[in-house]
Amino acid sequence: AQKVTQAQTEISVVEKEDVTLDCVYETRDTTYYLFWYKQPPSGELVFLIRRNSFDEQNEISGRYSWNFQKSTSSFNFTITASQVVDSAVYFCALSEAKAAGNKLTFGGGTRVLVKP
Amino acid sequence: DAGVTQSPTHLIKTRGQQVTLRCSPKSGHDTVSWYQQALGQGPQFIFQYYEEEERQRGNFPDRFSGHQFPNYSSELNVNALLLGDSALYLCASSLKETGLFYEQYFGPGTRLTVT
Repeated sequence: AQKVTQAQTEISVVEKEDVTLDCVYETRDTTYYLFWYKQPPSGELVFLIRRNSFDEQNEISGRYSWNFQKSTSSFNFTITASQVVDSAVYFCALSEAKAAGNKLTFGGGTRVLVKP
Repeated sequence: DAGVTQSPTHLIKTRGQQVTLRCSPKSGHDTVSWYQQALGQGPQFIFQYYEEEERQRGNFPDRFSGHQFPNYSSELNVNALLLGDSALYLCASSLKETGLFYEQYFGPGTRLTVT
């Protein structure tokens, strides 16, 4: 069975500080996908990134960066120089690579509060 | 490029009643998934439809059923509503291509309150 754990329930930072969100996952599959989604107060989940299990190259996109380590089953997410607009709940999710479908298993989410 | 749309945005029902929620996928997508998100929790997978058939199902009772239409839009039906069904119901769409599915794009959700 798949499982995603986000140990941090809430993180509060002051604007311009960096914030790192932890994600640990469990799966028996050798091929899978990992995702990060952002849920602002409006409620709509916004897709941020997808990583394949066979590609451990870390990625930077603007102020966002991701650190995927298969050896520790972790897929951490860092916001550099945080801004008030980054305040949201962030979800890590896992999907197995099955032809039958791509259901997402979500973690419990980490609420990020960026104070001005 | 139209994103995922859901209707209605809010709904209040009484215990025991039935409800139907609707979803139109993002343009070009052919797969629709439904998730239930209770307050303060991560979304939980209900089921996924592709080619008008239920392809995967999460741990939800038979009171939860769905349908996908030829134009790829979808409905989620919940019968005999319980107080515990109060949640944000999210619809997501994706594209199945060459046997693999890609990232899911979510709609704004329907907030269901059962009293």
